[in-house]
Amino acid sequence: SQKIEQNSEALNIQEGKTATLTCNYTNYSPAYLQWYRQDPGRGPVFLLLIRENEKEKRKERLKVTFDTTLKQSLFHITASQPADSATYLCALESGYALNFGKGTSLLVTP
Amino acid sequence: SQTIHQWPATLVQPVGSPLSLECTVEGTSNPNLYWYRQAAGRGLQLLFYSVGIGQISSEVPQNLSASRPQDRQFILSSKKLLLSDSGFYLCAWSTRLAGVGLGETQYFGPGTRLLVL
Repeated sequence: SQKIEQNSEALNIQEGKTATLTCNYTNYSPAYLQWYRQDPGRGPVFLLLIRENEKEKRKERLKVTFDTTLKQSLFHITASQPADSATYLCALESGYALNFGKGTSLLVTP
Repeated sequence: SQTIHQWPATLVQPVGSPLSLECTVEGTSNPNLYWYRQAAGRGLQLLFYSVGIGQISSEVPQNLSASRPQDRQFILSSKKLLLSDSGFYLCAWSTRLAGVGLGETQYFGPGTRLLVL
């Protein structure tokens, strides 16, 4: 069955450092992969979409890579800020819907 | 611009009572619509999706049902709630790509927190 794995352990980093989150998947050949941010008690918010023919995509301080051979996506936040603290979810297409990972909690401390 | 509304924001219901959660989308036409549940400490679980009025697909067998009486209205219902129905219910929409039927980016509502006692 299709499976998406994100590090269940929270990631704690110091302000100004680069945060790197990992999303691994199995039994998938997705046309694209997405990253979302979720704050406590709120719905996820779309951040970035990367297609299978794209190796890297950037948006301001965010960078996403997509390696279809390794079946892995890395999500980077450079110059991290306390306001970046949230849970980050990766999602893969699944028919008409998206299949989400459980997310990784990021805590950026001053 | 597009907006998505969900109500109520919070709901406390006794076991065995009925449920009706409503979701409406503004500013777009013919969206794909989705219901997710997020239980404490767990990921997003897709419950239902709809690609058009009256078209509902269920992902998980359970005592919940969904209906889409209008293009931009999606309703989640139950005749008798179970304790295990407690959770954070999220509605989402995506654009239906012409000729594909596959939505891409999903836009989520603010969610309804349901507690079944």
